[in-house]
Amino acid sequence: DAGVTQSPTHLIKTRGQQVTLRCSPKSGHDTVSWYQQALGQGPQFIFQYYEEEERQRGNFPDRFSGHQFPNYSSELNVNALLLGDSALYLCASRLWGATYEQYFGPGTRLTVT
Amino acid sequence: GDSVTQMEGPVTLSEEAFLTINCTYTATGYPSLFWYVQYPGEGLQLLLKATKADDKGSNKGFEATYRKETTSFHLEKGSVQVSDSAVYFCALSAGNQFYFGTGTSLTVIP
Repeated sequence: DAGVTQSPTHLIKTRGQQVTLRCSPKSGHDTVSWYQQALGQGPQFIFQYYEEEERQRGNFPDRFSGHQFPNYSSELNVNALLLGDSALYLCASRLWGATYEQYFGPGTRLTVT
Repeated sequence: GDSVTQMEGPVTLSEEAFLTINCTYTATGYPSLFWYVQYPGEGLQLLLKATKADDKGSNKGFEATYRKETTSFHLEKGSVQVSDSAVYFCALSAGNQFYFGTGTSLTVIP
């Protein structure tokens, strides 16, 4: 049983560009959350998707957007990249309502130059 | 708002030493509390959890007790091993959202 998978592993972009990160949840999970983890910091909640809708959002600008597909996989899109967007982006999945059992993927390391 | 404050690191211990990493929280309502561990180059793994006051979470020799009166959830282990070297995150869950502390880096030397 595959756990949470994310792609790509690493990514280098230039300021002003756009990026799309992908996440496949653990089998049987229907809820996906995205987090940004800056170097030396804890993960910060970006948003959460369930039933293809954004259900909750953290304190991130509209440049951060997402999508969830019918197979529960998800994308995180970031427009107009800033140097400060450089971070590890983590995806986590769980069953809606099962708050305690959240599983994290290995993350995508985004570097903005 | 809800938040977690944890002991800053880095922490360096000798093998078989006793470990404590402090964590306190601020929350409205009754959150669930967690410790996650992150090994180099990997995502976060759930280490242990406690869902109500006085619950004790335990796993792999690590323990933490949910103390409502002191709003704390300190992580302890009686005898650390080199393989415990990692970054440890305290977190709380309020509704559908998780809040993480800034992490404490632990290095265990032989």
